[in-house]
Amino acid sequence: EVQLVESGGGLVQPGRSMKLSCAASGFTFSSFAMAWVRQAPTKGLEWVASISYDGGNTYYRDSVKGRFTISRDNAKSSLYLQMDSLRSEDTSTYYCARTQFAYWGQGTLVTVSS
Amino acid sequence: DVVLTQTPPTLSATIGQSVSISCRSSQSLLHSNGNTYLNWLLQRPGQPPQLLIYLVSRLESGVPNRFSGSGSGTDFTLKISGVEAEDLGVYYCVQSTHAPPTFGGGTKLELK
Repeated sequence: EVQLVESGGGLVQPGRSMKLSCAASGFTFSSFAMAWVRQAPTKGLEWVASISYDGGNTYYRDSVKGRFTISRDNAKSSLYLQMDSLRSEDTSTYYCARTQFAYWGQGTLVTVSS
Repeated sequence: DVVLTQTPPTLSATIGQSVSISCRSSQSLLHSNGNTYLNWLLQRPGQPPQLLIYLVSRLESGVPNRFSGSGSGTDFTLKISGVEAEDLGVYYCVQSTHAPPTFGGGTKLELK
C-alpha cells in the first residue's frame, strides 16, 4: 500500500524558515517524480514544486522561487521542502504527492503568523 | 500557465441523481507523446484529495464505475451516474501536460 506521511509543519513567524518532510513507502520511491501541493484554508489546490525521480530537475511556482527548495533522499525514501523567508500568504496545508497526483499524504499545516 | 475553468462551482444533487462537471482548458492538453494528462480528484471534507480518473477517462483502481471521464483537447467532463452520499465533497480537475501543473477551481457537490 502506498503511503505518504508529511511532517514538520506548525506555527512560524514571518521571515523565518521551516523544513517539511514526506516519508514514502509502498512503492519504489526512486522511480517516481514527486511534488508538493498546498491548500490555503477554505481555498483550492495550488502546485508548489516538483522534483524529478533522481533529483536532477526541480521546478517551482513563481511565488516561491528563491525562497523554497525541494529535495529528496532516495536512500531514505523521503521528500523535503525547505521554506525560507516565509510570508503570511504561505499559510496552508502542504501535501506531498506522487507524480500525476495519483497518491497524496494527509498533509501538514503551516501557519505563518507573528 | 494553463488555466482550467470548472463549472459549475457548486452542484446540488439528490441521491441517485446523475450529474456532470465540466473542465475547460485555456489550451489543448494533448501532449506531443499522444497522451492527454488530465485527471480528476475528489477531496472529501477534512481529507486529502484522491485520484478518481487519470488520462481523461481511465478509472483509478478501486474507484466505483459510476464515475466516468470524457473529453479531448480543451473540453473535459466528469460524470457521476447515480450520486451516493460518499460522493459529496469538492472535485478538481488537474493537468500536467504543460508545465507547471495546474488545478481547476473546484466544484463542490452537495446534497439537495
